[in-house]
Amino acid sequence: ETGVTQTPRHLVMGMTNKKSLKCEQHLGHNAMYWYKQSAKKPLELMFVYSLEERVENNSVPSRFSPECPNSSHLFLHLHTLQPEDSALYLCASSQDRADNYGYTFGSGTRLTVV
Amino acid sequence: GQSLEQPSEVTAVEGAIVQINCTYQTSGFYGLSWYQQHDGGAPTFLSYNGLDGLEETGRFSSFLSRSDSYGYLLLQELQMKDSASYFCAVRDRRDDKIIFGKGTRLHILP
Repeated sequence: ETGVTQTPRHLVMGMTNKKSLKCEQHLGHNAMYWYKQSAKKPLELMFVYSLEERVENNSVPSRFSPECPNSSHLFLHLHTLQPEDSALYLCASSQDRADNYGYTFGSGTRLTVV
Repeated sequence: GQSLEQPSEVTAVEGAIVQINCTYQTSGFYGLSWYQQHDGGAPTFLSYNGLDGLEETGRFSSFLSRSDSYGYLLLQELQMKDSASYFCAVRDRRDDKIIFGKGTRLHILP
């Protein structure tokens, strides 16, 4: 366990389904992030939350909808996804956005869209 | 634009030393970090260099040359458990965004 817990670990969903990914941290961090990891591509930053407010949306399609109800929890709501959205979705946290000493990542949710 | 370049794969022998290089291009540089990721696992933070020079943490060292936009991760006394992917990452001073490289897959032979 890294201190950041993601559920579920694996998810298979159809293109018409609606599902949610959950991320939880009890490290007292103030910033949380969603990243997408695809094979042979760099980690792609999707969303940034700082003190529960969204501060960045990296041109992510609206079929991905984040929610941060409190500083310990982050969700990624998914609907009408495409097969190319299949990837590992990683949540991370840091003390604050300018923290140079590393993000703490969860183990990710392996998403397959069929 | 912003980009990082690192080799896609490196192979080394158990007990040896290996160096993984990273070159970067950013609009405003604010530090180079390294992460390790085992298959099926979370990326874990290894090191950070904000200034030029070598930072040592046990068997792992990281080096930065800001004038050359270049850094490397040095792994000594390689162990089989070091088989993983290694990512370099830079923080862009303009927006505090961390940009990751594509990762280097390290294979270790017995």
